[in-house]
Amino acid sequence: EVQLVQSGAEVKKPGESLKISCKGSGYNFASNWIGWVRQMPGKGLEWMGIVDPSDSETRYSPSFQGQVTISADKSISTAYLQWSSLKASDSAMYYCARDGGLFGIDYWGQGTFVTVSS
Amino acid sequence: DIQMTQSPSSLSASVGDRVTITCRASRGIRHDLEWYQQKPGIAPKRLIYEVSSLQSGVPSRFSGSGSGTEFTLTISSLQPEDFATYYCLQHNNYPYTFGQGTKLEIK
Repeated sequence: EVQLVQSGAEVKKPGESLKISCKGSGYNFASNWIGWVRQMPGKGLEWMGIVDPSDSETRYSPSFQGQVTISADKSISTAYLQWSSLKASDSAMYYCARDGGLFGIDYWGQGTFVTVSS
Repeated sequence: DIQMTQSPSSLSASVGDRVTITCRASRGIRHDLEWYQQKPGIAPKRLIYEVSSLQSGVPSRFSGSGSGTEFTLTISSLQPEDFATYYCLQHNNYPYTFGQGTKLEIK
């Protein structure tokens, strides 16, 4: 069974760094790109970017380019989303999702809620 | 980037009603269009992929249609559990993009 399991909720202060994770299982992790989606409280879904675990190639949405770093370690079947200096506006739910190619975004993680507050 | 314009942004309907939600792409996206349902605090659930293919386990009252730039999600007879927010997503071109969402509320 394909699963994407994300790391737990985080509470951070502005200016702190953070790296959240998404661990895949039940399939060859290197075979499918992994994307990240943001959902701010009470708002819609926003596509942030995507990583190819086989070679760590990334594609970012313009709104998130330079704001976050997406990466992957295929040896441990895990993708990451990280911030070097968090802002209050980064408070949101973050989802990872598997790109099934022609079959679209076929599996989602359960979400990681990030709270940034002083 | 491909913009996805979803309408309406909100919709009030009654159990048993037929409802339609539309997404328009700023340029052609072939069949690379999906529909999701989301309830508060829960990850989105895929309903439809490749414009009209029903995700396994999803009731047949959900259907999708369209091509090129105009796509629709139809719920043939609303059930109480269908009141939620719905999103379209294009995965034809990076960056992938979502519609703004349609909140379906009970009348």
